Amino acid sequence: DAGVIQSPRHEVTEMGQEVTLRCKPISGHNSLFWYRQTMMRGLELLIYFNNNVPIDDSGMPEDRFSAKMPNASFSTLKIQPSEPRDSAVYFCASSFEGAYEQYFGPGTRLTVT
Amino acid sequence: SQKIEQNSEALNIQEGKTATLTCNYTNYSPAYLQWYRQDPGRGPVFLLLIRENEKEKRKERLKVTFDTTLKQSLFHITASQPADSATYLCALPPYGGSQGNLIFGKGTKLSVKP
Repeated sequence: DAGVIQSPRHEVTEMGQEVTLRCKPISGHNSLFWYRQTMMRGLELLIYFNNNVPIDDSGMPEDRFSAKMPNASFSTLKIQPSEPRDSAVYFCASSFEGAYEQYFGPGTRLTVT
Repeated sequence: SQKIEQNSEALNIQEGKTATLTCNYTNYSPAYLQWYRQDPGRGPVFLLLIRENEKEKRKERLKVTFDTTLKQSLFHITASQPADSATYLCALPPYGGSQGNLIFGKGTKLSVKP
């Protein structure tokens, strides 16, 4: 099993640009989570999908952030326009319904200048 | 709102000793608690889950306890090795949250010196 796949691994962009982060969950997992990790705030849940449907997006910081899951094997997190305070490591995780442990991808390190 | 506190940002110990990490939480009693390991530049990796009706759980050199009265979990690594050096995160489901959701502590960075 390849595990959770995220791309790109690193992204450097200028303020105001659109950023799209991608995630492929583990095959057969039907829950998908997007997290953001910073030194100050730790690991924070942004949004959670179950069976491709957004269940809880209360962690999405503001309207500049949006997430989609068009099918069971792909999700995107988009930031438009990006700001320097969005700089962080963004993780995608997946889990199987009924199980509690989550499997994390390697993360995307985003730097907004 | 809930708070999770891992009371040490960093813990330094000598190889062979037992490392003990603490996770305290407030405001409600979760049905379970999890521990994850995170290495630099990588995502967290699940280690152990302990349920509210379990006092203790073991996996190889790892032991986790869960005291619902104290609202505390302890994570022990016995016979620690330099390879155990990493950041350890505790996580629990949020009050009223959907199944599978987790909130994470900020972690304790463990360094095991040879």
